[in-house]
Amino acid sequence: DSGVTQTPKHLITATGQRVTLRCSPRSGDLSVYWYQQSLDQGLQFLIQYYNGEERAKGNILERFSAQQFPDLHSELNLSSLELGDSALYFCASGQGGTDTQYFGPGTRLTVL
Amino acid sequence: TQLLEQSPQFLSIQEGENLTVYCNSSSVFSSLQWYRQEPGEGPVLLVTVVTGGEVKKLKRLTFQFGDARKDSSLHITAAQPGDTGLYLCAGALTNAGKSTFGDGTTLTVKP
Repeated sequence: DSGVTQTPKHLITATGQRVTLRCSPRSGDLSVYWYQQSLDQGLQFLIQYYNGEERAKGNILERFSAQQFPDLHSELNLSSLELGDSALYFCASGQGGTDTQYFGPGTRLTVL
Repeated sequence: TQLLEQSPQFLSIQEGENLTVYCNSSSVFSSLQWYRQEPGEGPVLLVTVVTGGEVKKLKRLTFQFGDARKDSSLHITAAQPGDTGLYLCAGALTNAGKSTFGDGTTLTVKP
């Protein structure tokens, strides 16, 4: 158990819909990272937050957004969903910067 | 182009054999991590290396960070079926605020 929690574990929805994925970091970690992992793409970095502020941006689509709240939990919002958005979404936490990341169990999103 | 190149992409061996997987780059990293991921689960941290030339051992696993901090290797001795999984390396560039992941090596150890 990494100490990072993610909810929900599974999510099935339809194209065009909007969903919110939630992540709680390890106690004491200030940074949250979001990743997308699909079968043909590997682990793709989406975005990083540090103590409530956006720190780094990766290959995140405009239809996706995220935020980190004062209690340090984070939410990833995915809108206008497409079939290709079906993937595992992982949250990781760490101290920020060039540190080690600890991954949550992931949310499996299926868009039908 | 991938910043971190992992090889081989796939590896299938028999129980008891030894193996080495590689993580290479032309960039210098301030630190490098190795993770193991099982299907449907999150990557689990195995080790972090920070010093050029550093060698770390974790039971049957030996990790080495290159002298120039541009590459790393993972050697497994007497592989077991429980070692099966996706092995990912991730590196933090010296002037960046996030880590970059390689595409991983998928290891299958047959009993």
